[in-house]
Amino acid sequence: DAGITQSPRHKVTETGTPVTLRCHQTENHRYMYWYRQDPGHGLRLIHYSYGVKDTDKGEVSDGYSVSRSKTEDFLLTLESATSSQTSVYFCAVCTGFPTYEQYFGPGTRLTVT
Amino acid sequence: AQTVTQSQPEMSVQEAETVTLSCTYDTSESDYYLFWYKQPPSRQMILVIRQEAYKQQNATENRFSVNFQKAAKSFSLKISDSQLGDAAMYFCAYRGISNFGNEKLTFGTGTRLTIIP
Repeated sequence: DAGITQSPRHKVTETGTPVTLRCHQTENHRYMYWYRQDPGHGLRLIHYSYGVKDTDKGEVSDGYSVSRSKTEDFLLTLESATSSQTSVYFCAVCTGFPTYEQYFGPGTRLTVT
Repeated sequence: AQTVTQSQPEMSVQEAETVTLSCTYDTSESDYYLFWYKQPPSRQMILVIRQEAYKQQNATENRFSVNFQKAAKSFSLKISDSQLGDAAMYFCAYRGISNFGNEKLTFGTGTRLTIIP
């Protein structure tokens, strides 16, 4: 447990509505990540952050934006949710040198109807 | 781009026996890290074991060990004395070494392990 919480844990929303998922960490890690998990795909990186206000895109970033105004919080926003964004979303932190281990939050199950 | 392949969607093993989960990867990098994660029904992603590519010695964590074959780009996970609590999805993951801070993991599609009592 790397002190990572995600909120909400479950959410059902309608197509076209905005949605924000929150990731909060307590151990001051520099690197934070958002992944989505879908059957047959494993986990795929959406966006990541390497510091406050420093973010970059991952492999499946279309339709998502992120923000990081504080070290401990990393927000993922779906500007206009679509059914293809129904998924389980995981936040992760990285310990950095020398082990580079990533630890994950408990996940958020998002359903877009 | 790096890819990670887990060719066994499902595996099963008798309780107390040993099972090996396979993983292969493709990369042009010489230095990198490999990981195995466990995802039980609770959905939590749990780090099981880590292997640094520059280390020739295979990593071991209690009943979990790896067989790392760098030339073959193979990274298998061996679970000894399987227990009911080992039932889960297992994901292999690759992390390259980058100068640009892109420390993302590339995951395989997972192997579902069933433990037979």
